[in-house]
Amino acid sequence: GAVVSQHPSRVICKSGTSVKIECRSLDFQATTMFWYRQFPKQSLMLMATSNEGSKATYEQGVEKDKFLINHASLTLSTLTVTSAHPEDSSFYICSARDASGGDNEQFFGPGTRLTVL
Amino acid sequence: DAKTTQPPSMDCAEGRAANLPCNHSTISGNEYVYWYRQIHSQGPQYIIHGLKNNETNEMASLIITEDRKSSTLILPHATLRDTAVYYCIVRVSYNFNKFYFGSGTKLNVKP
Repeated sequence: GAVVSQHPSRVICKSGTSVKIECRSLDFQATTMFWYRQFPKQSLMLMATSNEGSKATYEQGVEKDKFLINHASLTLSTLTVTSAHPEDSSFYICSARDASGGDNEQFFGPGTRLTVL
Repeated sequence: DAKTTQPPSMDCAEGRAANLPCNHSTISGNEYVYWYRQIHSQGPQYIIHGLKNNETNEMASLIITEDRKSSTLILPHATLRDTAVYYCIVRVSYNFNKFYFGSGTKLNVKP
């Protein structure tokens, strides 16, 4: 089956620093990747859609200058949380859509736990 | 933007069938119903999806009503490892086929 990886799996950083999270599709090409955020005991919230070779599109209420997304290749998208603050502490999950798949199912990564001190 | 309604939690005895309902009364004709589950602190895992017909795979069965306004996910023989939050999602058929997650159903499988 299709595999999506994320790195790192967990990160702890100081307030004010920037953190980069990588999302990779390991055995398929993904023209579109998605980034989600999940707070404790809550559901996944879609943050943005990442498109290879073009600008990401952000959901309403998500600050694009705060959450920088780069989708430089068909297998890699990165999310950078800039000037992180404690309220940015969350579980960040990416998913990738197999461009060759007929029904467009999404495959999810294992998530990255971000803790901002 | 979630277009689905699910009960917040359900209990099921180990070895029994788990039937998880989902209401999606505003679904459009070309929108698929997807089911994913999330075990604590992991990424969501794909289970099954369908459009109109009932579907079955090695994990589960999906029963979609004729009017497509609701569906039921069936885990035929639930095990303790099936304890998870189950999400029913209607895939948006435009705008990159986004998924908007609702609140899901926490399934507790008990021995």
